[in-house]
Amino acid sequence: NAGVTQTPKFQVLKTGQSMTLQCAQDMNHEYMSWYRQDPGMGLRLIHYSVGAGITDQGEVPNGYNVSRSTTEDFPLRLLSAAPSQTSVYFCASSYSRLAGQYFGPGTRLTVT
Amino acid sequence: GQQLNQSPQSMFIQEGEDVSMNCTSSSIFNTWLWYKQDPGEGPVLLIALYKAGELTSNGRLTAQFGITRKDSFLNISASIPSDVGIYFCAGLEAGGTSYGKLTFGQGTILTVHP
Repeated sequence: NAGVTQTPKFQVLKTGQSMTLQCAQDMNHEYMSWYRQDPGMGLRLIHYSVGAGITDQGEVPNGYNVSRSTTEDFPLRLLSAAPSQTSVYFCASSYSRLAGQYFGPGTRLTVT
Repeated sequence: GQQLNQSPQSMFIQEGEDVSMNCTSSSIFNTWLWYKQDPGEGPVLLIALYKAGELTSNGRLTAQFGITRKDSFLNISASIPSDVGIYFCAGLEAGGTSYGKLTFGQGTILTVHP
């Protein structure tokens, strides 16, 4: 099993550009989520999904969209990148909302 | 909102020593998790605890879910250089609007001197 995979590993965007961060898991997990990690702020939940076709907002959803068309994939879209979105983004999955979550290796995003 | 206090913030130890860190919360959690994060990598799940009083081991790591459901500790025995990293506790809530919310502690930075 590859576990949770994320692409790209690094990305530099200009303000106003859009892009999609990819996340996939091969563990047949129902629950998937996106976090951002910033110095001094810890990990903050952006969006989550409890199954294909079902998504909901987390703690810091503004500026991000998600969709869940399959169990395996949970992409995160930045609509119009801003410098405040410079961060490390982690995708995670678990078999249920109350189970331990497995994290991907992260995407390091810089917005100039 | 829910707060997790993790201590100590950092530890400097000699190889071979045992390590202990803990987390306390103001409210109860239904699940306690312990993660390790290396620089440039994602958090790796070390131990998951699902029942109050549960004591679980994973190699040299042992963690316990406190009886009050408001605390958890992680012990590392006979530390080795590759134990270096940041250790996070995390708690999962199961009540009301916080169902499934994962709250992280601030992390403990562990340095092991050979």
